[in-house]
Amino acid sequence: NAGVTQTPKFQVLKTGQSMTLQCAQDMNHNSMYWYRQDPGMGLRLIYYSASEGTTDKGEVPNGYNVSRLNKREFSLRLESAAPSQTSVYFCASSTRGSSYNSPLHFGNGTRLTVT
Amino acid sequence: SQQGEEDPQALSIQEGENATMNCSYKTSINNLQWYRQNSGRGLVHLILIRSNEREKHSGRLRVTLDTSKKSSSLLITASRAADTASYFCATGLLGTDKLIFGTGTRLQVFP
Repeated sequence: NAGVTQTPKFQVLKTGQSMTLQCAQDMNHNSMYWYRQDPGMGLRLIYYSASEGTTDKGEVPNGYNVSRLNKREFSLRLESAAPSQTSVYFCASSTRGSSYNSPLHFGNGTRLTVT
Repeated sequence: SQQGEEDPQALSIQEGENATMNCSYKTSINNLQWYRQNSGRGLVHLILIRSNEREKHSGRLRVTLDTSKKSSSLLITASRAADTASYFCATGLLGTDKLIFGTGTRLQVFP
């Protein structure tokens, strides 16, 4: 049982390049989340999907797009990467959304550097 | 500024001592959760306390919640070197499925 799988683990981009971070969960969870973690800032919510077919903005959505491809997969796209997007990105899933008191299960992160 | 802020930012103790971390938040919540992160890894859920609960225990962990003061504390009793990690509180915002994290406390437990 793999849990939450993120790919790639590491990525280096040049300013202006685009890329998609992939996330898949095998726990039949309804809700999925994308966070970024920067030193001294804790985790900040980028986007979340409470259920298949829905997505909502979090605290820092600018510069990102998401796709809830199906129940298992939730991808995060950077259309034109900027150095300010250098961060560690975490995907997480839960049985149901936070309002149902469901804890999150996290992947191991993608370390992204934009030069 | 962030919804949740933790205090202290860093804490160093000896094995066997208790560690207390505090979390303050700004808006109404459904629940408050605590997570642990070992260096370079994803976060692991520790405990969840609902907005109508005041105290919860899980093994060596004790969490309290005071909604009137918008604050929570996490107590780790009889700490071990393996407890060395960063600890984050996260608040489930009332009426939404957003889960917002605080800035974290780095705990170091010396053997």
